[in-house]
Amino acid sequence: AQSVSQHNHHVILSEAASLELGCNYSYGGTVNLFWYVQYPGQHLQLLLKYFSGDPLVKGIKGFEAEFIKSKFSFNLRKPSVQWSDTAEYFCAVNALYGNAGNMLTFGGGTRLMVKP
Amino acid sequence: EPEVTQTPSHQVTQMGQEVILRCVPISNHLYFYWYRQILGQKVEFLVSFYNNEISEKSEIFDDQFSVERPDGSNFTLKIRSTKLEDSAMYFCASSGAVLGSPLHFGNGTRLTVT
Repeated sequence: AQSVSQHNHHVILSEAASLELGCNYSYGGTVNLFWYVQYPGQHLQLLLKYFSGDPLVKGIKGFEAEFIKSKFSFNLRKPSVQWSDTAEYFCAVNALYGNAGNMLTFGGGTRLMVKP
Repeated sequence: EPEVTQTPSHQVTQMGQEVILRCVPISNHLYFYWYRQILGQKVEFLVSFYNNEISEKSEIFDDQFSVERPDGSNFTLKIRSTKLEDSAMYFCASSGAVLGSPLHFGNGTRLTVT
């Protein structure tokens, strides 16, 4: 079974600082990778996804993530955060096997607070 | 943009009672899911549902849980006899059938068992 690890549980940054959130997964087969964001009081929203091709993917709101297959990593980055980026960020993996469809396994989440 | 809707937003129930959480997935989606998030913990997969049957379930999804698609639009999660540890946020999600289609989540139902 696959698992997903997010090493930073809480991150506090000032506005305009750069962000990198780590995500590692364990699964030897083909995967699709996702980052979701959950703003306070709201539902999980898709930030970006990787299926194949260019390992550097760009998402909404200036976020990007890089898939490094050799490191089983899919780190999320943003060069300059804003106060409105305060949210919880979840890395998720869809391991392509079985009958689970697009079942996701989530990491534990990283709570980001951006100070104005 | 189409949304997944969940009702109620908050449910309080007594231990041992049955609860039904309701979801209306996006209309042209074919896979449906329930996840839960206990306060302070990670989002955990419960069950996926396709073609009117369970396609995958986790070990959390024991005999006290069941899912149903009673009509063409609703997707429900029933907990037969709630326990204190069932208190959590329950998220419904749906996706298209193409592998890798992203999941679209509802706003969640916060279940509090007292």
